[in-house]
Amino acid sequence: EAGVAQSPRYKIIEKRQSVAFWCNPISGHATLYWYQQILGQGPKLLIQFQNNGVVDDSQLPKDRFSAERLKGVDSTLKIQPAKLEDSAVYLCASSRSTLGGHLYEQYFGPGTRLTVT
Amino acid sequence: KNEVEQSPQNLTAQEGEFITINCSYSVGISALHWLQQHPGGGIVSLFMLSSGKKKHGRLIATINIQEKHSSLHITASHPRDSAVYICAVVRGPSAGNQFYFGTGTSLTVIP
Repeated sequence: EAGVAQSPRYKIIEKRQSVAFWCNPISGHATLYWYQQILGQGPKLLIQFQNNGVVDDSQLPKDRFSAERLKGVDSTLKIQPAKLEDSAVYLCASSRSTLGGHLYEQYFGPGTRLTVT
Repeated sequence: KNEVEQSPQNLTAQEGEFITINCSYSVGISALHWLQQHPGGGIVSLFMLSSGKKKHGRLIATINIQEKHSSLHITASHPRDSAVYICAVVRGPSAGNQFYFGTGTSLTVIP
């Protein structure tokens, strides 16, 4: 079974530029998560999708971050404009449907390491 | 104060030792995850627990819901177990299914 795919693996941009990350979850996984992990910290959930609907985006900085999962499969996360403090690893994860509660393990992609200069 | 606290933050062990990593949390949860993160960022989900105990190979995870505490044990530790181990809790639907992550325990196993 193919794992969670993410691209690019690395990205370096200047502040105020825009950047987009792509994630393709495991086939059949209805739930998709985007996390931000700053060096030395644990991951922070940015947004959770159930199919193409948003379940939780309470920690997404909506003034600059956006995410979509239009067809309920792959997803993109965009930052516009980027700030220095956005430098982090952006992780995508997927799991089987979480309807009724989070009772399924998550499978993580390799992450995209973003450096904002 | 973090909702999830892990201890120790750093741990060095000799190969073959029995290792315990602890996780305490302060909120009501529907599930707790133990994750393993190797250098380079890759994260693997080790366990998802809502009660009791789970075992997979040399890894054992336990949770005590009343005491809001979970432990991850590694028996007969090996250098390939060197990684960061992260505890994450999930609140129930009434609390928006929010995730809270610990900052991780960095484990180094010396041959």
